[in-house]
Amino acid sequence: DAGVIQSPRHEVTEMGQEVTLRCKPISGHDYLFWYRQTMMRGLELLIYFNNNVPIDDSGMPEDRFSAKMPNASFSTLKIQPSEPRDSAVYFCASSLNGPHQPQHFGDGTRLSIL
Amino acid sequence: AQSVSQHNHHVILSEAASLELGCNYSYGGTVNLFWYVQYPGQHLQLLLKYFSGDPLVKGIKGFEAEFIKSKFSFNLRKPSVQWSDTAEYFCAVNWDYGQNFVFGPGTRLSVLP
Repeated sequence: DAGVIQSPRHEVTEMGQEVTLRCKPISGHDYLFWYRQTMMRGLELLIYFNNNVPIDDSGMPEDRFSAKMPNASFSTLKIQPSEPRDSAVYFCASSLNGPHQPQHFGDGTRLSIL
Repeated sequence: AQSVSQHNHHVILSEAASLELGCNYSYGGTVNLFWYVQYPGQHLQLLLKYFSGDPLVKGIKGFEAEFIKSKFSFNLRKPSVQWSDTAEYFCAVNWDYGQNFVFGPGTRLSVLP
């Protein structure tokens, strides 16, 4: 079974540029989560979707961040404009039937904003 | 607000030592409890979970955890650690089958050969 697939694995870009992170959840999973992990703040939930609908985006740091899920097999997290403090590892995870079920994580995107 | 705390930020053990990592959560109610492990450079993986029934839960790689409702705790244990257990361990809680799901800050475990 294919797991959660994220792309790119690494992204290095200059501040001010637009960054788009992509995620393909496990087929059939109806929940998708975006997390950010840093040394200072640990693992933070940014937003999650149920059946492609955003349920809780209270963790999105500011308006520069946006996430979409146009269909059940694809989601994007966009940062525009990017800033050096956005540098982190961004994980996508998916689960079946709710946040109370185990989440399956992708390998993450390591983002560096210069 | 609901929260999850993990007692230790960094634990250092020698191989064959016993391990116990603490996890406490706020607020009662019905909880689903998880431990995830993140090996260096990898993504988080589920180690074990508790939904109901026997409060002593066995997971992969010889890990187990005990749910003590009266103490709002879900501590992770392993009788004898190996160097390959070096990783970061995250406790996570979902309340009342609802939409609230919170990860603890993580405990970094270093096992010395």
